[in-house]
Amino acid sequence: DTEVTQTPKHLVMGMTNKKSLKCEQHMGHRAMYWYKQKAKKPPELMFVYSYEKLSINESVPSRFSPECPNSSLLNLHLHALQPEDSALYLCASSRAGVQGLVEAFFGQGTRLTVV
Amino acid sequence: DQQVKQNSPSLSVQEGRISILNCDYTNSMFDYFLWYKKYPAEGPTFLISISSIKDKNEDGRFTVFLNKSAKHLSLHIVPSQPGDSAVYFCVGRTGFQKLVFGTGTRLLVSP
Repeated sequence: DTEVTQTPKHLVMGMTNKKSLKCEQHMGHRAMYWYKQKAKKPPELMFVYSYEKLSINESVPSRFSPECPNSSLLNLHLHALQPEDSALYLCASSRAGVQGLVEAFFGQGTRLTVV
Repeated sequence: DQQVKQNSPSLSVQEGRISILNCDYTNSMFDYFLWYKKYPAEGPTFLISISSIKDKNEDGRFTVFLNKSAKHLSLHIVPSQPGDSAVYFCVGRTGFQKLVFGTGTRLLVSP
């Protein structure tokens, strides 16, 4: 199983809503990532978790709150978002060995629209 | 500040011919490079990678070349197939876990 599963596939939320994006993998990977991709732009790294601990936060606004409850799950909690936060949110996972990230597996993404 | 640049937004190739996708980078701290392809409404899919200490890596129809002195990579696809039509991202790795994506090149392979 080389699949990273993201739910929901599409999400529309108001600026006062609270919602969560979910990501799951069963490849035994101990590194998990959140990326954001705006239209016609490349994916940009938001957060990295290694062994369930946050290791990289790319200065993401606090209205985005990541959580890694166990080695298979990664959540992204959303609160008080702005319309400019509308984007495709991609989750990825990889091995977390001494070689570092040599191949990351991506989910299909959640298409988020903030209204 | 775009650290990974793919200067050709699009490329059209006939089936059976070679596709060459180019990539330039500015960050000397990249120690690994990866190529991903992306179909619409799907996440990026890993294709091939190369360590910064190598100059070539081959996997089936895909070969990646690295010219470190020129800070340039290229991906060769031979022979190209219609199913290869997708957006291709050149990606640099820094700090072991951080991937920096290029701007992407849309490849269209026509029958």
